[in-house]
Amino acid sequence: GNSVTQMEGPVTLSEEAFLTINCTYTATGYPSLFWYVQYPGEGLQLLLKATKADDKGSNKGFEATYRKETTSFHLEKGSVQVSDSAVYFCALSVSSGYSTLTFGKGTMLLVSP
Amino acid sequence: GAGVSQTPSNKVTEKGKYVELRCDPISGHTALYWYRQSLGQGPEFLIYFQGTGAADDSGLPNDRFFAVRPEGSVSTLKIQRTERGDSAVYLCASSEGATNEKLFFGSGTQLSVL
Repeated sequence: GNSVTQMEGPVTLSEEAFLTINCTYTATGYPSLFWYVQYPGEGLQLLLKATKADDKGSNKGFEATYRKETTSFHLEKGSVQVSDSAVYFCALSVSSGYSTLTFGKGTMLLVSP
Repeated sequence: GAGVSQTPSNKVTEKGKYVELRCDPISGHTALYWYRQSLGQGPEFLIYFQGTGAADDSGLPNDRFFAVRPEGSVSTLKIQRTERGDSAVYLCASSEGATNEKLFFGSGTQLSVL
């Protein structure tokens, strides 16, 4: 089956620190990979995605590279801000023609000033 | 509307009761998804609609769960004979088309079964 494993949180950082949230996956087909973010009191939002091996998704200073050889899609940001505090979900989709996402458990990020 | 709207935001019910949860997707979005998120877990797929039809209901846990989308817009998730294990946040998402992988999520309905 399909599954996503994320590092457990919470991840606690000071402002301007470097962020890595690890994500690995198993999939029966050739998946597209996603990071979704949930800010406090808001719905899930797509942060970035990658659809094939070696693609790099990026948005708002966050990056993640689709690594087929290690089945990974780690999320990184060079300098986090307090406003980045949220729960981050790694997800994959292997459905043909529509997006049935399989999510990880989520990683809470807390950034202090 | 501006985003995906889900009502109610919170629902408390007693074991054995029937509940309906509503989702109003972004106008013009033909694809609609329901997910369930239990405490400490990521969302789990329940059902996908393309237009009025349920194209994939493989995630519905049992026959107590049912969903409709009669006019291809608003959808209702219906749960019969609720159980305490049904307590979770029920999320709705929509997208412009079947192949569009960018889903827009609502804020969810927190269902508590006492």
